[in-house]
Amino acid sequence: DAMVIQNPRYQVTQFGKPVTLSCSQTLNHNVMYWYQQKSSQAPKLLFHYYDKDFNNEADTPDNFQSRRPNTSFCFLDIRSPGLGDAAMYLCATSLPGTLAGELFFGEGSRLTVL
Amino acid sequence: AQSVSQHNHHVILSEAASLELGCNYSYGGTVNLFWYVQYPGQHLQLLLKYFSGDPLVKGIKGFEAEFIKSKFSFNLRKPSVQWSDTAEYFCAVTPYGGSQGNLIFGKGTKLSVKP
Repeated sequence: DAMVIQNPRYQVTQFGKPVTLSCSQTLNHNVMYWYQQKSSQAPKLLFHYYDKDFNNEADTPDNFQSRRPNTSFCFLDIRSPGLGDAAMYLCATSLPGTLAGELFFGEGSRLTVL
Repeated sequence: AQSVSQHNHHVILSEAASLELGCNYSYGGTVNLFWYVQYPGQHLQLLLKYFSGDPLVKGIKGFEAEFIKSKFSFNLRKPSVQWSDTAEYFCAVTPYGGSQGNLIFGKGTKLSVKP
C-alpha cells in the first residue's frame, strides 16, 4: 500500500563514513525530491529530479549528492557525514505542471552521526 | 527571501475544543498554499491546498483553511478536535508557477489533544 518507500528508516554512521539513503516510488511520478529536516526545524529542500534532470538548491552542500537510475528509484549519498548532518531525510514525489507542490512523502530516514 | 511563520510551536487542547493554527508567509506574488499533517510515526501527508478561487478551502477530516491575501495568512481551523487529530501540522507555500514543488515549509505546530 505504501507509495513512497524509504530505506533504511534509521541509519547510524560514524563521522566521515559515507552513507546512502534510498527512496522508491510506485506512483510513477516524474518529480522526486529530497528534503532535510533537523529537529524542530522546517523541512528544507536539498535537490530534486524532474525525470532525469537534476536540480540542486543553491545552498545544498557539496557533501550531498543524488542519483536517479530510473523513474522509480532515487538515492541520497552523503559523502562525509558530519555531526551537523544528523537529521531526518524525507523523500517525496509529485506530478509536474499545475499540480506541482502537492507532494507525496515517504516516512523518512533518520540519520544519526556518531 | 520567502519564509513561512507558524506562530505556535505546541498547542494543547481538550477534545471538542476549537482549533486555529496560524500561518503567515512572506512573498509578494501569487502563491499556492498548503497544510500538511504528520501523525505520530507516519509520513507527511497533504491536508488541504489552495491554488485559486474560493479562499475558504476544505480538506480532509473536517479541517478548513482561509486564505486572506491582505494579511498574507492561511490559518488552519477545525470546529471540534478529536484525540486522533494529535499530530504535527506544517504550513507550506510555493510561488505560483515557480520551481517544481519547491515548497517553503514553516517549522510546524505540534497539536496534542487530550481525551
